Amino acid sequence: NAGVTQTPKFRVLKTGQSMTLLCAQDMNHEYMYWYRQDPGMGLRLIHYSVGEGTTAKGEVPDGYNVSRLKKQNFLLGLESAAPSQTSVYFCASSYGGINQPQHFGDGTRLSIL
Amino acid sequence: AQSVSQHNHHVILSEAASLELGCNYSYGGTVNLFWYVQYPGQHLQLLLKYFSGDPLVKGIKGFEAEFIKSKFSFNLRKPSVQWSDTAEYFCAVIRHNNDMRFGAGTRLTVKP
Repeated sequence: NAGVTQTPKFRVLKTGQSMTLLCAQDMNHEYMYWYRQDPGMGLRLIHYSVGEGTTAKGEVPDGYNVSRLKKQNFLLGLESAAPSQTSVYFCASSYGGINQPQHFGDGTRLSIL
Repeated sequence: AQSVSQHNHHVILSEAASLELGCNYSYGGTVNLFWYVQYPGQHLQLLLKYFSGDPLVKGIKGFEAEFIKSKFSFNLRKPSVQWSDTAEYFCAVIRHNNDMRFGAGTRLTVKP
C-alpha cells in the first residue's frame, strides 16, 4: 500500500520554465491538497480538491494551477516558475472533509534559479 | 500576523526530560486542532487531534495535548522524551469554513 506518492522528488528549474508535479494516492480518498513548506512559515495550503473534477483555492494560490481529472491524481502546475516558488511541496489526501486526518507524501524539493 | 503561533523554534532536551510545546491560535469560534510530526527523512504524520469533548487528548507514542479555549491554546506534552522523538512538530488549526493553517513548526532535538 503506497499511500501518497509524489513525483518527482527533486527538480531544478530556470525562471520562466513550466512544470507539473504529480500526486497519486491509492486510498480512494475524496480530498486532496497541495502545500508548500518554507523555513519559518510551516505549511501553507496552495489548492485543494474535494473530489474528481473539482478544485478550490487555498491560502497561497497565485502562480499555481491544479487539476483533478482522476480521483487518485492531483496535479500541481507552475506555468512560469519564479524564484519565490523555490520550496518543498507536499501533497496530502484525506477521507472526508478537510478536518479529517491527512496522509502526506514525501515531498518534492523544487529549486528555481 | 501569524494565525497559528508556535513559540519555540528549536527545543533541545535530554532523554527522560519532560516536554511541552506551545501552540496558540488567533481565531474565535469553533476550531479543530491537530498536531503533526515529521521525523527526519519521513513525511508528516498525525500525532493527535481535538474536535470536541474532553479537552485533554491522547495521541500516539505517549503524547498528549490540552485544549484551553480561554487561552486559545493547544499545547503538546510528553512526560519523558526519548531520542526517537527527535523531529519537527507542527500544530494545525481548521476553522469552520475549511480554512486550515499550520504553525511554523518546532524542531525538537533529544540528546541521548
